[in-house]
Amino acid sequence: GDSVTQMEGPVTLSEEAFLTINCTYTATGYPSLFWYVQYPGEGLQLLLKATKADDKGSNKGFEATYRKETTSFHLEKGSVQVSDSAVYFCALPYLYGGSQGNLIFGKGTKLSVKP
Amino acid sequence: GAGVSQSPRYKVAKRGQDVALRCDPISGHVSLFWYQQALGQGPEFLTYFQNEAQLDKSGLPSDRFFAERPEGSVSTLKIQRTQQEDSAVYLCASSPQTGTTYGYTFGSGTRLTVV
Repeated sequence: GDSVTQMEGPVTLSEEAFLTINCTYTATGYPSLFWYVQYPGEGLQLLLKATKADDKGSNKGFEATYRKETTSFHLEKGSVQVSDSAVYFCALPYLYGGSQGNLIFGKGTKLSVKP
Repeated sequence: GAGVSQSPRYKVAKRGQDVALRCDPISGHVSLFWYQQALGQGPEFLTYFQNEAQLDKSGLPSDRFFAERPEGSVSTLKIQRTQQEDSAVYLCASSPQTGTTYGYTFGSGTRLTVV
């Protein structure tokens, strides 16, 4: 079935370091792909999305490119800040059945950025 | 309202007690999802509504879980005879339409602790 695999955390970086969080997916179709972020004590917020192959989603300095050939959607940021400390989730929608659009999430990657 | 509102924010229940969790989606949003997020895990799908119709309840873990959205707006997730394994954060999300290209707006969740 459709699934999402994220790199294990936690990830600890110093401020201004480069960030990569790997995400690969398994899907029978070509779904949209999402990155969500969860700050401590809060719900999930949509960070960025891409709707088709080779699309690049971007927001708040984060980027991710939809790679059909490698079935990947890795999240990157060139220079992280302390305020980026959060849990990041890769997700794709389930395309079949009665709840098309229901999101399948990865297990999440916790990022801690030290000053 | 401006966002998805969930109440209560925290709930402590004694084992065997019934609980009701409320979700107030963004006005006019057609789709409404409930997710369960165990500690350190990604959210997992419970059930989906399109307006007042419950189109998918395949993720509900047992017949102790029941959800409704009688007028196509506010939704309630009810858990009967709570067990310790029900302890989790319950997230509600809404979307303006069905389909896979729309992001979903999540509420802050209800943290349920069963003691």
